[in-house]
Amino acid sequence: EVQLVESGGGLVQPGGSLRLSCAASGFTFSSYWMHWVRLAPGKGLVWVSHINSDGSSTTYADSVKGRFTISRDNAKNTLYLQMNSLRAEDTAVYYCARQWGSGWPLDYWGQGTLVTVSS
Amino acid sequence: DIQMTQSPSTLSASVGDRVTITCRASQSISSWLAWYQQKPGKAPKLLIYKASSLESGVPSRFSGSGSGTEFTLTISSLQPDDFASYYCQQYNSYSSWTFGQGTKVEIK
Repeated sequence: EVQLVESGGGLVQPGGSLRLSCAASGFTFSSYWMHWVRLAPGKGLVWVSHINSDGSSTTYADSVKGRFTISRDNAKNTLYLQMNSLRAEDTAVYYCARQWGSGWPLDYWGQGTLVTVSS
Repeated sequence: DIQMTQSPSTLSASVGDRVTITCRASQSISSWLAWYQQKPGKAPKLLIYKASSLESGVPSRFSGSGSGTEFTLTISSLQPDDFASYYCQQYNSYSSWTFGQGTKVEIK
């Protein structure tokens, strides 16, 4: 069974840092592109970041570029999102999702982890 | 970046109604469009990919159409389990994977 389990969310002060993890199982993690997508309270889904299967290529939404870093450890079947210089507007549920590759959708998502940025 | 404009933002409908949601891309994305359903507190669920391909296990009352810049999601006969939020997403670009603003389908 495919599983994506996010962790690492919590309450952090503005300007602080947090590292999210996404543990994958039930599929060949190293074959998939991976993404982070967020859902802020009362808002819609927003794509945050992408990493290719071997970690050699990454992309970011303009709103997080320079503050967030996506990475992966294929030996540990784990995806990460390092979030620095956090702002109130980063408050959201963060989901990880997989993509088989170019031309394929994000077909499986985790249940999400809540990040709250507040003083 | 490619922008996705989804309408309506809210839709009130009754069980058994035919429901249509529209998504427009700011430039051609061929057929690289997906539709997702999301319920409160749950993960998004893939319904349709490549504009009109039904994901395995998704009921046949869901269908998608369109290409280029204009796309629609249709629910042929709304069921109680279908009251949720729906999002389109383009995956044509290698640098961004944009979502529409979402459509909340409410009980009339």
